[in-house]
Amino acid sequence: NAGVTQTPKFRVLKTGQSMTLLCAQDMNHEYMYWYRQDPGMGLRLIHYSVGEGTTAKGEVPDGYNVSRLKKQNFLLGLESAAPSQTSVYFCASSLGGVAGAGEQYFGPGTRLTVT
Amino acid sequence: AQTVTQSQPEMSVQEAETVTLSCTYDTSENNYYLFWYKQPPSRQMILVIRQEAYKQQNATENRFSVNFQKAAKSFSLKISDSQLGDTAMYFCAAHLSGTYKYIFGTGTRLKVLA
Repeated sequence: NAGVTQTPKFRVLKTGQSMTLLCAQDMNHEYMYWYRQDPGMGLRLIHYSVGEGTTAKGEVPDGYNVSRLKKQNFLLGLESAAPSQTSVYFCASSLGGVAGAGEQYFGPGTRLTVT
Repeated sequence: AQTVTQSQPEMSVQEAETVTLSCTYDTSENNYYLFWYKQPPSRQMILVIRQEAYKQQNATENRFSVNFQKAAKSFSLKISDSQLGDTAMYFCAAHLSGTYKYIFGTGTRLKVLA
């Protein structure tokens, strides 16, 4: 099992450019998440999904969009990148539901710099 | 609102010594789970230990153990026989059972000194 994978691992964008981060998991998890990590602020939830075809806003959704067309994939899009979106982005997945009382599994992270 | 608080931004410990990282949380829910995650310089988030709130017995994983005080809403992590490889950021997290929600603290940066 590869677990949770993210592509790319690093990216530099200019202000106004767009990009998509791809997250894939092979554990048949229902729930998937996108977080951003900034110094001193821990992990903040951007968007999440509780199943294929569903998405919902998290704590800091502005400037981001997501899609979950397939159960194993969760895409995070930046339509017009801003310097404030410079961060490390983590994807995570969990089993979900009442039975899914377990931990989240994390991808390796994507370091994004917007200049 | 549910919160997780880690009041120690940075800590250091000598190799082979014992260190305790503090975590407090606030939730009105009865069914929840608590976790400690380790994030080494590689950035990968690694689960260290988990605790089910309904269990009174403290969880242990080799050199890692927790002191879970449910009434005080405290969940500290004890690392025994610290090793250089334990140098990392440690995050405390709470998960409300049956929901999507995971709440993370702001982390404690631990440095193990040779």
